[in-house]
Amino acid sequence: GAGVSQTPSNKVTEKGKYVELRCDPISGHTALYWYRQSLGQGPEFLIYFQGTGAADDSGLPNDRFFAVRPEGSVSTLKIQRTERGDSAVYLCASSLRAGQGHGEQYFGPGTRLTVT
Amino acid sequence: SQKIEQNSEALNIQEGKTATLTCNYTNYSPAYLQWYRQDPGRGPVFLLLIRENEKEKRKERLKVTFDTTLKQSLFHITASQPADSATYLCALGSTDSWGKLQFGAGTQVVVTP
Repeated sequence: GAGVSQTPSNKVTEKGKYVELRCDPISGHTALYWYRQSLGQGPEFLIYFQGTGAADDSGLPNDRFFAVRPEGSVSTLKIQRTERGDSAVYLCASSLRAGQGHGEQYFGPGTRLTVT
Repeated sequence: SQKIEQNSEALNIQEGKTATLTCNYTNYSPAYLQWYRQDPGRGPVFLLLIRENEKEKRKERLKVTFDTTLKQSLFHITASQPADSATYLCALGSTDSWGKLQFGAGTQVVVTP
């Protein structure tokens, strides 16, 4: 079956602009996760959803970052007033549900965001 | 603050040998630990999960150990192959937030024929 898909694969934007990054999880997966990864680093947790609600958004760096998952499937990560420091690969993952017995996360290929 | 450390230097190993990677953590009480593989330009791929009450897990040529006293996990690739060349990430999860994984920076493994 299809894996996690993310669009766009690459996004170049100017400092100060607004961007939206989209994630399509694996069908039937109720948990969805957002991470970002800088070169040479591991993924850094941003937020995760169980169903439609954000179960933990403690990793969002500031109020310029916001994510939604209105119907419990597709999710959009929104970044306002982008800064050069936001440049990174944004990874999305999904799992059957969040929890110790279902902790295996399936990652998408990521969206490479470059802020000029 | 919580810290997860993996060897930053690449591990160069000859085909057929066993690669051993370490993951050390401080100021953390993980309920489980996972290992992922990441190839350049791609998202991580799940390999193994081990829970805090488990000492060892195996899957084909992979073995993971988890020592909560030493605060360390070891990841072994036996009979390594050039196709095993990748970056390997450890990730810790806790009961505070089931879905939140905290990753180490990863260790690159290069297997030469």
